[in-house]
Amino acid sequence: KAGVTQTPRYLIKTRGQQVTLSCSPISGHRSVSWYQQTPGQGLQFLFEYFSETQRNKGNFPGRFSGRQFSNSRSEMNVSTLELGDSALYLCASTPGTAQETQYFGPGTRLLVL
Amino acid sequence: KNQVEQSPQSLIILEGKNCTLQCNYTVSPFSNLRWYKQDTGRGPVSLTIMTFSENTKSNGRYTATLDADTKQSSLHITASQLSDSASYICVAPDNFGNEKLTFGTGTRLTIIP
Repeated sequence: KAGVTQTPRYLIKTRGQQVTLSCSPISGHRSVSWYQQTPGQGLQFLFEYFSETQRNKGNFPGRFSGRQFSNSRSEMNVSTLELGDSALYLCASTPGTAQETQYFGPGTRLLVL
Repeated sequence: KNQVEQSPQSLIILEGKNCTLQCNYTVSPFSNLRWYKQDTGRGPVSLTIMTFSENTKSNGRYTATLDADTKQSSLHITASQLSDSASYICVAPDNFGNEKLTFGTGTRLTIIP
């Protein structure tokens, strides 16, 4: 079974631009969660989607948004990029039931200049 | 505010030696406690998931313990190998039954030959 895939793997943007990241979960998994990882803050939860609906949301500004498609693939969008948005963005998938093991993708490393 | 604190921040040990990593959490209500291993530049990989009724759980050379009364968990690594060099992250859900997770900042473990 293929693992979680994320595209692109690396991205360089400038302040004010917007960016869209993509995540394809493991086949059959219906829940996709997004996380931001920075050296100073560690891993922080952004949001979780299940069956095309946002089920949980972390404490990030509205510039961070996401969506999930009927095939469970998910996208995350960040508008009006700031320097502080430079981070590793990880997505993780589970079949959808709580307390299951999460499977993480390799991440997208975003650098904002 | 739910928090997960880990110690030590970093650790260096000789190959073949054992080590123990600590995690203190203040998450309520408690659902489960997870340990992840994250290699540099890669997504985290789940090692163990423990519910409040479990005191010990093993995954090969990794053994996690949980004391729900003191809200402490530890991860013991036996006969360390060079491939154990990674960050080890302790994780707890914010709310019972969903995927909104609170992450510790991790322990950076380095195994030297």
